[in-house]
Amino acid sequence: GQQLNQSPQSMFIQEGEDVSMNCTSSSIFNTWLWYKQDPGEGPVLLIALYKAGELTSNGRLTAQFGITRKDSFLNISASIPSDVGIYFCAGPGGWGGGATNKLIFGTGTLLAVQP
Amino acid sequence: GAVVSQHPSRVICKSGTSVKIECRSLDFQATTMFWYRQFPKQSLMLMATSNEGSKATYEQGVEKDKFLINHASLTLSTLTVTSAHPEDSSFYICSARRGPNEKLFFGSGTQLSVL
Repeated sequence: GQQLNQSPQSMFIQEGEDVSMNCTSSSIFNTWLWYKQDPGEGPVLLIALYKAGELTSNGRLTAQFGITRKDSFLNISASIPSDVGIYFCAGPGGWGGGATNKLIFGTGTLLAVQP
Repeated sequence: GAVVSQHPSRVICKSGTSVKIECRSLDFQATTMFWYRQFPKQSLMLMATSNEGSKATYEQGVEKDKFLINHASLTLSTLTVTSAHPEDSSFYICSARRGPNEKLFFGSGTQLSVL
């Protein structure tokens, strides 16, 4: 089945540093979503991408939809302690990665920020 | 944004008992709700898709007789873990959306611990 692999698995950084993580798929996706999950909570949508090559920002967060449509990147600039959490990419599941009813999640990147 | 409420947030039960988890869309009508399971330090795995008024569609490997899903109204879906065992201990998260291609909203999750 479809898989979304994220790297790195975890990151331990100092406050103020920039962060970059990526997500790759075994198949083409038409939509990429980036979520953040705090401990004991459900995921919260950060950024949504709908077109290959699209670059979208949300405050200190910037995400890009890869040209091949098989990958996406999330960057966080000037990290702060509250950025701590697990970041997941997600995309619509189903054959060809097209718009279907369900959302599948990547393997996640754990971010730890030391003040 | 829309609010999805999940209850209870945490439940501890004895092995062999059944546990019901509720997922409510508080300020919108959800034609579709999804149930996910998340083991520690792992990704969210889709268990089933629930459409109001019809039977749920389960993902491969998820036992429908063990995880009973009822979506009786446009604002409520329930997941019942029947005859729970310790290996069912997990974080269960629901999500809901108004219609196809609409944004997904997630509940805050339910931590189930089976003793």
